[in-house]
Amino acid sequence: EPEVTQTPSHQVTQMGQEVILRCVPISNHLYFYWYRQILGQKVEFLVSFYNNEISEKSEIFDDQFSVERPDGSNFTLKIRSTKLEDSAMYFCASSARLAGGLVEQFFGPGTRLTVL
Amino acid sequence: DAKTTQPNSMESNEEEPVHLPCNHSTISGTDYIHWYRQLPSQGPEYVIHGLTSNVNNRMASLAIAEDRKSSTLILHRATLRDAAVYYCILSPRGGADGLTFGKGTHLIIQP
Repeated sequence: EPEVTQTPSHQVTQMGQEVILRCVPISNHLYFYWYRQILGQKVEFLVSFYNNEISEKSEIFDDQFSVERPDGSNFTLKIRSTKLEDSAMYFCASSARLAGGLVEQFFGPGTRLTVL
Repeated sequence: DAKTTQPNSMESNEEEPVHLPCNHSTISGTDYIHWYRQLPSQGPEYVIHGLTSNVNNRMASLAIAEDRKSSTLILHRATLRDAAVYYCILSPRGGADGLTFGKGTHLIIQP
C-alpha cells in the first residue's frame, strides 16, 4: 500500500539554525500539507499546497517557514532560524480527490525536531 | 471553524463494540464530518467521513444524527490495536483544507 514517507525521523539542531524537513507524498496525490504536534498537545495545521503554490496557511506559518516542491516528488518544509518552541513532531500529509470532491489525507510517520 | 466536543477518554473491553460520541451543534450545511485516529507514536490516520447519511467502511461505521448536530463513530469489535486518540473533525470543503484537530477522545482497550 502506498504511503507518505518523511526524513529524517529525528532532527536535532541548535537554536538559530536552518532546518529542512523532507517528505515524499504518495505519487498520484495533488494536495500536500504540513502539520505539527508539540509534545502532549494537539495536532496543528501549518500549511497546504496545491498546484505549486500555498493554498492555505495558519497563523503559525510565519515568515520563518517556507515550503517547496523542488522536483515533483519531494515536498519540503524549511524553518529559517529555529527557536526552542519549534521543537515538535512535524507531520507531512498528502491527498488525492475522491469521488464527490472529498479528500482523505494520508499522513507520514513524522519527523521529531528537537531545538537545543 | 465549527467546533466539536468529544469526551476526553473512554474505556472498553477487547472484542466489544465501542461507540465514540461527538457533538457539533454549530455544524453548517456544507460541513463534512471526518474521523481520524492517532495510534501511539504515529501520524493521524483517516477512519471515515460522512455528510448526512450513515456510512460504513472496513474500519468503522459512522452514525449521523438526523439534525447533524452529533455523530457517533462505531467500532464493531474493538481490538488492542484500536487503542488510540480519535478525532472528530468538521470540514467545509470535504477535507481539502487543513484539518482542525481538537483534543480528541483517548480510547483505552482492556484485554
